[in-house]
Amino acid sequence: EAGVVQSPRYKIIEKKQPVAFWCNPISGHNTLYWYLQNLGQGPELLIRYENEEAVDDSQLPKDRFSAERLKGVDSTLKIQPAELGDSAVYLCASSSAVSHEQYFGPGTRLTVT
Amino acid sequence: QKEVEQNSGPLSVPEGAIASLNCTYSDRVSQSFFWYRQYSGKSPELIMSIYSNGDKEDGRFTAQLNKASQYVSLLIRDSQPSDSATYLCAVKGGNSGYALNFGKGTSLLVTP
Repeated sequence: EAGVVQSPRYKIIEKKQPVAFWCNPISGHNTLYWYLQNLGQGPELLIRYENEEAVDDSQLPKDRFSAERLKGVDSTLKIQPAELGDSAVYLCASSSAVSHEQYFGPGTRLTVT
Repeated sequence: QKEVEQNSGPLSVPEGAIASLNCTYSDRVSQSFFWYRQYSGKSPELIMSIYSNGDKEDGRFTAQLNKASQYVSLLIRDSQPSDSATYLCAVKGGNSGYALNFGKGTSLLVTP
């Protein structure tokens, strides 16, 4: 069974530029999560989707971050405009309705210069 | 106060020894507890989940949960150099809902 897929793996952009990250969850997993991980810290939740509905986005900085999950499968997280402090690893995870165990993708390492 | 606390380490153990990793949490109504392993430059990998008080064993790994003391631990028996990584404790449920609250992780170094 394929795991969570994310792209790109690495991204370097200048501040004020836009950037987008893509995630494809494990097949059959209806819950999708976006986390942010800074160096030396544990992941922190940005947004959670149940199918195509965003049910927990309280930690998402909505002035510059947006996310969507069309058709309840793939998801895209966007930052516009990026700031220096956005440099981090952006992790996507998914879980099924049965176990609730969350499985992470490889992440996207963003560097904003 | 951080909701999930871990000693950042590094915890150094010799090869073949038992490594003991500890985690405390503040939300008394938390329901699910997980241990993730994260190698440098990689994403977290789920290694253990535990939901009820007591011990749960899986191969060389044993997770222990004590809800009364709000304490969860991970024991790694016969530690190998390949076990050297950061171990993240994650707690779900209660006031956090479905979100995983992570500790900062404990760095484990297994020396040959």
